[in-house]
Amino acid sequence: RKEVEQDPGPFNVPEGATVAFNCTYSNSASQSFFWYRQDCRKEPKLLMSVYSSGNEDGRFTAQLNRASQYISLLIRDSKLSDSATYLCVVNKRNYGGSQGNLIFGKGTKLSVKP
Amino acid sequence: NAGVMQNPRHLVRRRGQEARLRCSPMKGHSHVYWYRQLPEEGLKFMVYLQKENIIDESGMPKERFSAEFPKEGPSILRIQQVVRGDSAAYFCASSPGTGDEQFFGPGTRLTVL
Repeated sequence: RKEVEQDPGPFNVPEGATVAFNCTYSNSASQSFFWYRQDCRKEPKLLMSVYSSGNEDGRFTAQLNRASQYISLLIRDSKLSDSATYLCVVNKRNYGGSQGNLIFGKGTKLSVKP
Repeated sequence: NAGVMQNPRHLVRRRGQEARLRCSPMKGHSHVYWYRQLPEEGLKFMVYLQKENIIDESGMPKERFSAEFPKEGPSILRIQQVVRGDSAAYFCASSPGTGDEQFFGPGTRLTVL
């Protein structure tokens, strides 16, 4: 089983649509969770951290279910500028390794059309 | 406050040459991470460093790759005797502490001819 799994997409949606991305992770000891976005040939940029209580930032809502090892991202009222690849990211907990490095999913590609 | 800086942005090397990639973390960040992204692939962790120390190099290939983060100056990722399979985007990230959010530099795109 991959450490972080995401549906690669692409998700093709019209402007104004609501779209949801899901992600599962295999290491139950993971402690930190993030969503990053990556535009074509650019660096990943932090979108938001994900907390057990769920958190919202404008049109974006992230949820974490530790029991199911499942993370989600909801984008409401999608804009053309939301077109990007969305990366689900968890930290690597100690199995003889550090807490520092991040494990990235391959990403889900979103394309918002006019 | 400048973000994470990497140079060069693009680097072309012939097989067998050496590649040196530089990374200056954000001001106030003492933790540096290197990741590699192959075409159409996700980012893969390579190495995690703090000033003058390698904390975790579990993602580094055993041969030809090395990294340092000296007391003064940028972090350096060094690839000796490059091969075509080393062609990738190499991203550096920094954070103020372990487990904190990481902020990425623009990357160095290495092409090996």
